Amino acid sequence: KNEVEQSPQNLTAQEGEFITINCSYSVGISALHWLQQHPGGGIVSLFMLSSGKKKHGRLIATINIQEKHSSLHITASHPRDSAVYICAVLVGEYGNKLVFGAGTILRVKS
Amino acid sequence: KAGVTQTPRYLIKTRGQQVTLSCSPISGHRSVSWYQQTPGQGLQFLFEYFSETQRNKGNFPGRFSGRQFSNSRSEMNVSTLELGDSALYLCASSFLTGNYGYTFGSGTRLTVV
Repeated sequence: KNEVEQSPQNLTAQEGEFITINCSYSVGISALHWLQQHPGGGIVSLFMLSSGKKKHGRLIATINIQEKHSSLHITASHPRDSAVYICAVLVGEYGNKLVFGAGTILRVKS
Repeated sequence: KAGVTQTPRYLIKTRGQQVTLSCSPISGHRSVSWYQQTPGQGLQFLFEYFSETQRNKGNFPGRFSGRQFSNSRSEMNVSTLELGDSALYLCASSFLTGNYGYTFGSGTRLTVV
């Protein structure tokens, strides 16, 4: 079993829909990162969480440390949100090693 | 403020050769970490450097090595290239640790033929 599990693997939504991507992990972590990767490979860090909830524009990320679960929500989705969303947990003595989920491929249709 | 710069962007090498990739972090960032991304294995941690010292290493063979210079720039080297080393290699920089957040470079796409 992978240390970081994401669901769903693929997601197709209509423009304007509310989207949720889930991430569960099985190891002790110091933080959890949500990343976005567009075709071409560049990765952008969306959120870093160690507790609670964060919001940036139409994106909301939550984490439940006790349940070892995090969610990324996109409100009022738009075709430009189409990308791969990756959950990664920070582990290691120095908080310097990322362990990644397999990613969720999101396609938003207009 | 300049981002994380990786060079080269694309590289084609022959099996058995060696390759060196470069990563220049954001000014002031002292931690540089390297990742390999393949369609089959996804993103995997290679190693992390801080103040010229390797602090953590992923589960990769000894053919994969790296170093960090006093100006925090980092290089990774892969010797005796195999076809399976074809991948996107990404580096990310952080102020001290990942608890300060990461900034990723655009990656080097390596093709081994």
